[in-house]
Amino acid sequence: KAGVTQTPRYLIKTRGQQVTLSCSPISGHRSVSWYQQTPGQGLQFLFEYFSETQRNKGNFPGRFSGRQFSNSRSEMNVSTLELGDSALYLCASSLGTGYANEKLFFGSGTQLSVL
Amino acid sequence: DAKTTQPPSMDCAEGRAANLPCNHSTISGNEYVYWYRQIHSQGPQYIIHGLKNNETNEMASLIITEDRKSSTLILPHATLRDTAVYYCIVRGFSGGGADGLTFGKGTHLIIQP
Repeated sequence: KAGVTQTPRYLIKTRGQQVTLSCSPISGHRSVSWYQQTPGQGLQFLFEYFSETQRNKGNFPGRFSGRQFSNSRSEMNVSTLELGDSALYLCASSLGTGYANEKLFFGSGTQLSVL
Repeated sequence: DAKTTQPPSMDCAEGRAANLPCNHSTISGNEYVYWYRQIHSQGPQYIIHGLKNNETNEMASLIITEDRKSSTLILPHATLRDTAVYYCIVRGFSGGGADGLTFGKGTHLIIQP
């Protein structure tokens, strides 16, 4: 079974631009979560999507948004990029039961650099 | 904020058992203990999780104290490929479904040849 696939692997943008990252979950998984990892703040939860609806949300500004399609693939968008948005963005997929004993499987991430 | 406390780093000799401690003194009755690890610049890898009973799988064992305020991850025969940052996470449930994972700083485990 293929794992979680994130594209692109690397991305370079300039301040003020917007960016869209893509995530394809494991086949049969219906939940996709997004995380941001920076050296200063570590790994932080952005949001979770299930059945095309945002089910849970972390503490990030509205510039960070996402969506999920009917095939469970997900995209996240960051508008008006700031230097501090430079980070590794990770996607995780799970079955989507919503229970706390459900395992999450992570992709390799997209490394975003904002210049 | 993370609900767990872990030592920032540990060393272990190759072939020996690596025992990684974690304190989670404020854990609630319905919260699970998860362990993930991350090798530099890769996504976190699931290792094991448990509620109150000890758990074992092909990668590791998880020992949870009876009061659930602490746990230990055991890698029975550490290899050089086990060098990574290990995260202990407490995960619960709120109205919108299971909470997102809250990662702390983790323990950097270094396996020495």
